Amino acid sequence: AQSVTQLDSQVPVFEEAPVELRCNYSSSVSVYLFWYVQYPNQGLQLLLKYLSGSTLVKGINGFEAEFNKSQTSFHLRKPSVHISDTAEYFCAVRVTVGGNKLTFGTGTQLKVEL
Amino acid sequence: DVKVTQSSRYLVKRTGEKVFLECVQDMDHENMFWYRQDPGLGLRLIYFSYDVKMKEKGDIPEGYSVSREKKERFSLILESASTNQTSMYLCASSLMGRPPYYNEQFFGPGTRLTVL
Repeated sequence: AQSVTQLDSQVPVFEEAPVELRCNYSSSVSVYLFWYVQYPNQGLQLLLKYLSGSTLVKGINGFEAEFNKSQTSFHLRKPSVHISDTAEYFCAVRVTVGGNKLTFGTGTQLKVEL
Repeated sequence: DVKVTQSSRYLVKRTGEKVFLECVQDMDHENMFWYRQDPGLGLRLIYFSYDVKMKEKGDIPEGYSVSREKKERFSLILESASTNQTSMYLCASSLMGRPPYYNEQFFGPGTRLTVL
């Protein structure tokens, strides 16, 4: 079985500062990796995904993430955050073969302050 | 435009009541999913369905059942609601992804259920 760890439950940051949200995963088989964002009172929206190829993945709203197989990590970064980035961010994994199910982390609440 | 809708945004029920949560998607997706979301626990899969009348248990199926009579509709049923089922419930759908392809899950806005 696979699992996802998001160690930071809350990350406060000032506007225009850089941010990194950490995600580590555990799996005995190869996986796909995802970041979803949930704005207040809304459902989840896909931010970016790693399926194969380049380990640096770019997503919407200026976010990017890097897949590091040796460290089993998929950290999310943005060089300069905006107030509108305030949301909850979820990392998720799915096995590449034999499954449609996503396993989610516990989420990181990003709070951008002026 | 992709659309997953859920019948209610907020719902208040009493302990012991039978509760139906409805989800409809208009994208002709084969897969549909029900999750519950709790603070500090993230999203946990309750049930999913990969075809009409087909269902599989997720990670936390106890106390829930599902129904999928039509491709576009997936219902979550709480046979006898309890206070520990107070939560946010999210529905999602996706195309059937055959390896090596992946198909994105699209989420509805959620139903916040309170059981008193």
